[in-house]
Amino acid sequence: QKEVEQDPGPLSVPEGAIVSLNCTYSNSAFQYFMWYRQYSRKGPELLMYTYSSGNKEDGRFTAQVDKSSKYISLFIRDSQPSDSATYLCASYTGGGNKLTFGTGTQLKVEL
Amino acid sequence: GAVVSQHPSWVICKSGTSVKIECRSLDFQATTMFWYRQFPKQSLMLMATSNEGSKATYEQGVEKDKFLINHASLTLSTLTVTSAHPEDSSFYICSASRTDVNEQFFGPGTRLTVL
Repeated sequence: QKEVEQDPGPLSVPEGAIVSLNCTYSNSAFQYFMWYRQYSRKGPELLMYTYSSGNKEDGRFTAQVDKSSKYISLFIRDSQPSDSATYLCASYTGGGNKLTFGTGTQLKVEL
Repeated sequence: GAVVSQHPSWVICKSGTSVKIECRSLDFQATTMFWYRQFPKQSLMLMATSNEGSKATYEQGVEKDKFLINHASLTLSTLTVTSAHPEDSSFYICSASRTDVNEQFFGPGTRLTVL
């Protein structure tokens, strides 16, 4: 079993839709949870960063972490074609320890 | 702030040659740098973790004699793929972290094609 599981998609939605991306994890020691966006042939860029459980909102993006169920979510409101990318969830325990990535979900927002 | 660069952005080489990829933190001192490999439509796989002035720690299954990592300063780490073969063709991405922020900052990646 991978430590972080993520549905690879692809996921295709119409412009303006609400997108829900999800991951599950198995390591109870994970404390930090991130969502990265990666465009084709580019390095990942950090979208959202959450410590422990709870919600965090930044513009059209909302990240949720439920440590009791080991579930991580990213919601994108009013999705745009420019949101088309691969979204990677990642977790780690902190203290400079290595990130553990999910496989990434490929999202396509269509006009 | 927290910009990480990689050079080159892409490289094509012949089988059997060695290729060096540089990773630099431009505006901060990186106590730890990480090297990842990503195959098409797959996630990032950590290859090794390096701390300045120390030997790199390699992940299981990664040949340390093939993928040489040097982290000689707080702003520069290099990955050398020795005796490259076509199966080494991949997207290599580095990241850097600093002690005051629990975050890794990623470089733009280097695409290696071995003919």
